[in-house]
Amino acid sequence: DAMVIQNPRYQVTQFGKPVTLSCSQTLNHNVMYWYQQKSSQAPKLLFHYYDKDFNNEADTPDNFQSRRPNTSFCFLDIRSPGLGDAAMYLCATSRDYNEQFFGPGTRLTVL
Amino acid sequence: QKEVEQNSGPLSVPEGAIASLNCTYSDRGSQSFFWYRQYSGKSPELIMFIYSNGDKEDGRFTAQLNKASQYVSLLIRDSQPSDSATYLCALYHPGHGNKLVFGAGTILRVKS
Repeated sequence: DAMVIQNPRYQVTQFGKPVTLSCSQTLNHNVMYWYQQKSSQAPKLLFHYYDKDFNNEADTPDNFQSRRPNTSFCFLDIRSPGLGDAAMYLCATSRDYNEQFFGPGTRLTVL
Repeated sequence: QKEVEQNSGPLSVPEGAIASLNCTYSDRGSQSFFWYRQYSGKSPELIMFIYSNGDKEDGRFTAQLNKASQYVSLLIRDSQPSDSATYLCALYHPGHGNKLVFGAGTILRVKS
């Protein structure tokens, strides 16, 4: 089945220790998104790639970076996680700017 | 005024009843509308999308769009306890930087 896969599902890191979250997709969608979702809040878009073009949201902290080495994979790097970065991180994909399909998410805990 | 407004709930309905979830939006240029279901601790799952005025039905789900009134709703017929979740309304407006704008979600509880 075509799908969006995120690894790991759960990530524990220490304050200030860099962490990388991974997303892969078999849908062959050209757009990939990273969202942050905190408890009882709507998902918040961090950035997205349209093909190879990176689109950052104005309010995304510099602490968050992303890489998309090919169509199928996209990474979220958090350079120096703070306690406020503890959240669910969601990857989503779409064909052009149509309906988005989410992966299962990575729950990040910062100690 | 928020771009997408949803009643946070919880909305409680008995099993077998129709659940009606509502969403209003402020920008008339909004083009596409989506309903996502999100179980606690899980990721959002797309259940319906609608682009044109009127009704769109898929199984037990019906999405209704009224662009003149800036209103989109989701009806769930024959509600089941497994429908208990948070329902997120989202819309796409080309002037919003090519991103989905989400409402805060409505919690639905179906009681058996």
